[in-house]
Amino acid sequence: NAGVTQTPKFQVLKTGQSMTLQCAQDMNHNSMYWYRQDPGMGLRLIYYSASEGTTDKGEVPNGYNVSRLNKREFSLRLESAAPSQTSVYFCASRQATEAFFGQGTRLTVV
Amino acid sequence: RKEVEQDPGPFNVPEGATVAFNCTYSNSASQSFFWYRQDCRKEPKLLMSVYSSGNEDGRFTAQLNRASQYISLLIRDSKLSDSATYLCVVNIIDTGGFKTIFGAGTRLFVKA
Repeated sequence: NAGVTQTPKFQVLKTGQSMTLQCAQDMNHNSMYWYRQDPGMGLRLIYYSASEGTTDKGEVPNGYNVSRLNKREFSLRLESAAPSQTSVYFCASRQATEAFFGQGTRLTVV
Repeated sequence: RKEVEQDPGPFNVPEGATVAFNCTYSNSASQSFFWYRQDCRKEPKLLMSVYSSGNEDGRFTAQLNRASQYISLLIRDSKLSDSATYLCVVNIIDTGGFKTIFGAGTRLFVKA
């Protein structure tokens, strides 16, 4: 039972490069989320998707775009990476009130 | 002011100790409450839900005080394996819709 799978686990980007973080869940959940976690800040919501075909901005959406490709997959794209986007990124899906997280992506922008 | 506030710690306790974490939330529209556990360099995982009537799971007890907008987690007889960061989590339904707010976490180190 894979749960929520994120790729890649680690990534180093140069300022201005673009990349897409992939996330897939096999639990048939409607809601999916992208968070970033920074020291002392807790988890902050970047974007979420309440259901297939819909996406909405969270608390810190600037510099990011998302795609809810189908019910299983929710990707996060950085079009032009900045050092301020150095963080740990978590994808999550939700069943009722419980959130299930992927293992995280450690992104460093130099 | 953050919507969910926790003492960041770290709490350094010996094995067998009892330790308590506190969390306060500011939005009165908060509907449901949880404690998540996050091990170093891992993802958060649900530890337990928090109810006004209290919720106990083995050595762990969670309590909610809606009047004071306060949540607590008590760990009795601490084990080395309890070392982790504990996140206070609040679900809110208000004019902005449904949202989940995570506290920044409280770090616990249990030492032999």
